[in-house]
Amino acid sequence: NAGVTQTPKFQVLKTGQSMTLQCAQDMNHNSMYWYRQDPGMGLRLIYYSASEGTTDKGEVPNGYNVSRLNKREFSLRLESAAPSQTSVYFCASSVPRNSNQPQHFGDGTRLSIL
Amino acid sequence: GDSVTQMEGPVTLSEEAFLTINCTYTATGYPSLFWYVQYPGEGLQLLLKATKADDKGSNKGFEATYRKETTSFHLEKGSVQVSDSAVYFCALSDPNYGQNFVFGPGTRLSVLP
Repeated sequence: NAGVTQTPKFQVLKTGQSMTLQCAQDMNHNSMYWYRQDPGMGLRLIYYSASEGTTDKGEVPNGYNVSRLNKREFSLRLESAAPSQTSVYFCASSVPRNSNQPQHFGDGTRLSIL
Repeated sequence: GDSVTQMEGPVTLSEEAFLTINCTYTATGYPSLFWYVQYPGEGLQLLLKATKADDKGSNKGFEATYRKETTSFHLEKGSVQVSDSAVYFCALSDPNYGQNFVFGPGTRLSVLP
């Protein structure tokens, strides 16, 4: 009964390094999302995938890329990390994107860029 | 575009006090409304939802009523506990809005014994 699983839970990078945040869901959801959470700013959408094989930019996509590997997995990549990308990253999934069902969240990845 | 506004925190209450966290929204369509709760070190968990006007969502003693006339969805609990200390997010889902979900900035609640 895992729901949405994110790895790693914590990561420290140096400026300019790259890394990929992994996300997998076992609820057979079509839609998946990546958010970042910064103090006082709530959650801001980075990218989303309405269904397998599609991805779209959200509110703050610059500096990130995503891959919807299959229906279960949706990864977020930082090609050249910057201190401004220090944040907590959440992956979420839901039933079809344009429905009124809730999103289900992972526990987050806490990322620090030095 | 769509937006969600929440009362500024942090909110500090004594155990058994009454809680209200205000939430108002703007939306181009007819949204569903949600409250999520985030405990320290965890992700967001759905607390309750309402999908149409005058609906009341409830869970774990928390309630919120969808008020279309005032575009509000205020969260209430009659008697808070220390274990309710968390950050609470109001959110909307508008099928007419591209990214579907919009979150408020969150309100941190601390309940003292």
